[in-house]
Amino acid sequence: GENVEQHPSTLSVQEGDSAVIKCTYSDSASNYFPWYKQELGKRPQLIIDIRSNVGEKKDQRIAVTLNKTAKHFSLHITETQPEDSAVYFCAASRGSGTYKYIFGTGTRLKVLA
Amino acid sequence: ETGVTQSPTHLIKTRGQQVTLRCSSQSGHNTVSWYQQALGQGPQFIFQYYREEENGRGNFPPRFSGLQFPNYSSELNVNALELDDSALYLCASQKSSYNEQFFGPGTRLTVL
Repeated sequence: GENVEQHPSTLSVQEGDSAVIKCTYSDSASNYFPWYKQELGKRPQLIIDIRSNVGEKKDQRIAVTLNKTAKHFSLHITETQPEDSAVYFCAASRGSGTYKYIFGTGTRLKVLA
Repeated sequence: ETGVTQSPTHLIKTRGQQVTLRCSSQSGHNTVSWYQQALGQGPQFIFQYYREEENGRGNFPPRFSGLQFPNYSSELNVNALELDDSALYLCASQKSSYNEQFFGPGTRLTVL
């Protein structure tokens, strides 16, 4: 069935270092890949997304890369700051018909000051 | 913050009871999805409504049901509550032809 694997489950980095979170999806028809940040007790917030016709997208300190052949996409955060500490979820969607998201299991990122 | 709102914020029920959760979608959005997020897990897709019709369903039993109203707000109903139904229930709204889903703050349901 449809599945998204996400690694690592926890990640600790020193402030200023980079963080990378990786996801692999199983549904080859997926063509939209959002990333959400969820702080404790709050709603998931969309931080960046990428569509299948693009290999890379960047927004300030955040970038996402997509390898459709390998069915693999990654989130890169550079110059991490303490406020980046949160749980990050990747998701995959077909982007048509039922716009359901299949979420990964989440990565708890801790940025150590 | 998104324009998606949910009520109530918290709810405590006992096994076997029934519950109704509510979601108001963002202005201009005609599609609402519901997700269940257990503690420490990613959100799991329950179902989606588009223009008052169910438009896809995840792997949840029939005691999970929903409605969408003409103003595109939505309800999630759960009958015969079980302990494992304890979770954060999130709704997300979107314009049908756009991919981005915007989440509400969630309703935390505790089943005792």
